[in-house]
Amino acid sequence: GAGVSQTPSNKVTEKGKYVELRCDPISGHTALYWYRQSLGQGPEFLIYFQGTGAADDSGLPNDRFFAVRPEGSVSTLKIQRTERGDSAVYLCASSLNETGHTNQPQHFGDGTRLSIL
Amino acid sequence: RKEVEQDPGPFNVPEGATVAFNCTYSNSASQSFFWYRQDCRKEPKLLMSVYSSGNEDGRFTAQLNRASQYISLLIRDSKLSDSATYLCVVNPGAPLVFGKGTRLSVIA
Repeated sequence: GAGVSQTPSNKVTEKGKYVELRCDPISGHTALYWYRQSLGQGPEFLIYFQGTGAADDSGLPNDRFFAVRPEGSVSTLKIQRTERGDSAVYLCASSLNETGHTNQPQHFGDGTRLSIL
Repeated sequence: RKEVEQDPGPFNVPEGATVAFNCTYSNSASQSFFWYRQDCRKEPKLLMSVYSSGNEDGRFTAQLNRASQYISLLIRDSKLSDSATYLCVVNPGAPLVFGKGTRLSVIA
């Protein structure tokens, strides 16, 4: 399909481990966003990329979280020394351009359900 | 005050009913507004954009009042398949700001 693809769909790991979550955006979409959704909450912004650069990383909760998009397409969200509070669904979205003031919608992947034991 | 506030519900309505969801936002500089729908354990999907003039898509009508910083979604003739969580979404910049969502259950 031509939608946003996220892998893995589920990840269970122990506290203290390192995890990588991958997002493959819709082809041609220059903007890519990472959100985190906890149970009963709406998605919360983490970081977004315009091309290869992180245009805004103000939503990253602390320095254990890092994301890259080296070639302006696939992005990887990396979490070091995971904690139980990191358990959530991590959603990736892409849009044709910065949503900004252009009213362009973001298209979401199925998410990665991360569980830290 | 949260950036986007919604009544969490749940709204339990019979098939065929009309139901309205309301949402308020705090950032007056916001320029884009959306309603997303999210089914249980699924990703959010765009339902409709919201324009200042109000817009309609079949049984769904969205309204925006910039002066009151208020957004609404009206669903007419509810179907069982409308059962989902409806997320009010505001775009003050590039990242979206989501409300917690309003849960709707349409009952036969």
